[in-house]
Amino acid sequence: DGGITQSPKYLFRKEGQNVTLSCEQNLNHDAMYWYRQDPGQGLRLIYYSQIVNDFQKGDIAEGYSVSREKKESFPLTVTSAQKNPTAFYLCASSSMDRGNQPQHFGDGTRLSIL
Amino acid sequence: QKEVEQNSGPLSVPEGAIASLNCTYSDRGSQSFFWYRQYSGKSPELIMSIYSNGDKEDGRFTAQLNKASQYVSLLIRDSQPSDSATYLCAVDEGGGADGLTFGKGTHLIIQP
Repeated sequence: DGGITQSPKYLFRKEGQNVTLSCEQNLNHDAMYWYRQDPGQGLRLIYYSQIVNDFQKGDIAEGYSVSREKKESFPLTVTSAQKNPTAFYLCASSSMDRGNQPQHFGDGTRLSIL
Repeated sequence: QKEVEQNSGPLSVPEGAIASLNCTYSDRGSQSFFWYRQYSGKSPELIMSIYSNGDKEDGRFTAQLNKASQYVSLLIRDSQPSDSATYLCAVDEGGGADGLTFGKGTHLIIQP
């Protein structure tokens, strides 16, 4: 089945540690996105990418990094510089054909601090 | 600062009634509007998209857009207990796949 796969489902980070969240899609979508959701809050954009080897900062990029080496993959690294990483992280993708296409989400990764 | 505003609720509606969810947005140049449903602990699921003024119907769901008033709404007819969830309004200001701005969501409770 076509879809977006995020792993792991749960992740724990120690102080000073970098962790990487995986996002893979087989929908042949050009655009991919990372959002963060805190309890009772909407989603906030961290990074997005419209093409391989290129990505743009969203509203809350500080303390995060991404790469886009393949069309299918858009991993997110939460660095030790992110002082409040506990949140629900959501990866999304969308087609760029015919513009304004909706985004579809993976199942998310819950990150907590040990 | 781009803003999307929703009443956080909870909005309580009897089973079988119409649930009305509202959203306002700040960027007058916004082009695309989406409603997502999010069950507790799960990821958002797209239920409606709307791009031009007026109404768009899909089954029990109707999205309404008024760009002059910067207002978008979602109506759910014949509400079912399974409709109980948080509904997120999302707006695409850029029109070029550069990320959505989300409201904080409205928590809807359908009372059996």
